[in-house]
Amino acid sequence: EVQLLESGGGLVQPGGSLRLSCAASGFTFSDYAMTWVRQAPGKGLEWVSDISGSAGSTYYADSVKGRFTISRDTSKKTVYLQMNSLRVDDTAIYYCAKTQGSGWFNDYWGQGTLVTVSS
Amino acid sequence: DIQMTQSPSSLSASVGDRVTITCRASQGSSNYLAWYQQKPGKVPKLLIYAASTLHSGVPSRFSGSGSGTDFTLTISSLQPDDVATYYCQNYDSVPRTFGQGTKVEIK
Repeated sequence: EVQLLESGGGLVQPGGSLRLSCAASGFTFSDYAMTWVRQAPGKGLEWVSDISGSAGSTYYADSVKGRFTISRDTSKKTVYLQMNSLRVDDTAIYYCAKTQGSGWFNDYWGQGTLVTVSS
Repeated sequence: DIQMTQSPSSLSASVGDRVTITCRASQGSSNYLAWYQQKPGKVPKLLIYAASTLHSGVPSRFSGSGSGTDFTLTISSLQPDDVATYYCQNYDSVPRTFGQGTKVEIK
């Protein structure tokens, strides 16, 4: 059974940093690209970042480029999102999701972790 | 960037009704289009990918069609369990944009 468990969310002041983690199980981690998607309170889904299975390719939304860094550790079966220079409008639930393999869409999602940026 | 526009933003229909949601891309994206369902307070779930391929375990009352710039999600017979917000997503290119969502309610 595929499981994705996010952690690392919390309350942070504007300008601060957080690192989100997503521990994966139930599939061959290195075979699949992984994604972070966020959802601000009461709003729709926003794609944030992708990383290929080999970690050789990473992609970012313009809204986070230069501030967020996606990475993965195959030995730990974990994907990370390092978030720096956080802004109030980064407040959201952050979901980790697995790609299906035949395209950059997501067949399994974690439960999400809430990031609140506020002074 | 490809923009995804869904219509309508919300709809209310009766149990058993046929429901259609449209997603229009600002540029052609072949068939690299996915649909997700998000029930209130829950995690998004994949329904359809490649515009028309039903994800494993998804009820057959859901179907997808379209290519290029115009795509459709159809629920052939609306059920109470289908109350949710539905999102389309272009995954042809970066950014992998979602539509703004369509909220489906029971009348």
